[in-house]
Amino acid sequence: EPEVTQTPSHQVTQMGQEVILRCVPISNHLYFYWYRQILGQKVEFLVSFYNNEISEKSEIFDDQFSVERPDGSNFTLKIRSTKLEDSAMYFCAGSRGREQYFGPGTRLTVT
Amino acid sequence: AQSVAQPEDQVNVAEGNPLTVKCTYSVSGNPYLFWYVQYPNRGLQFLLKYITGDNLVKGSYGFEAEFNKSQTSFHLKKPSALVSDSALYFCAVSYAGNNRKLIWGLGTSLAVNP
Repeated sequence: EPEVTQTPSHQVTQMGQEVILRCVPISNHLYFYWYRQILGQKVEFLVSFYNNEISEKSEIFDDQFSVERPDGSNFTLKIRSTKLEDSAMYFCAGSRGREQYFGPGTRLTVT
Repeated sequence: AQSVAQPEDQVNVAEGNPLTVKCTYSVSGNPYLFWYVQYPNRGLQFLLKYITGDNLVKGSYGFEAEFNKSQTSFHLKKPSALVSDSALYFCAVSYAGNNRKLIWGLGTSLAVNP
């Protein structure tokens, strides 16, 4: 059964550094998403992406964040200048129908 | 505001007994409802969905859920719990016109005791 993959599984970075989180969605999916989950809190929507452009973004997804699907298989989330409060588990997801399929997540720790 | 509530942080049930994990929602328009399960150090795994049609939907691993429009609820059920069902369960909702983004509950930790 095809799966969503995410790399790295854990990323530690210093405040102010740029990070890129990578995802490979299931190949026939058309819609792509990033969510994050701060420890002990709700899963929060960050951004959705369809037809090579952002279809919606949350208020969390400010100018420090960007997404790209550069080659038709990878889907990346870039955080330009990380803050302590960006520490969270970041989940990538994809869908073709209404249900979304998630990767295992990347744990981002900003020190 | 659109929201999902899972009123129980934790549910404990004995193996072999039926289990229910509760979820209520508040959205404008018709909801699309989902249950996901998260095992330790794993991602969010899709269990089942309600989009339209029969109010009782069946999903993976013997789980089912009942959509109740009047009570705005979508409780997750299983007739006979297994120890291996112990995990964190999340209810989520989207709706027409919200670009498919999922709005999540806080999660309910299910512990099935042998």
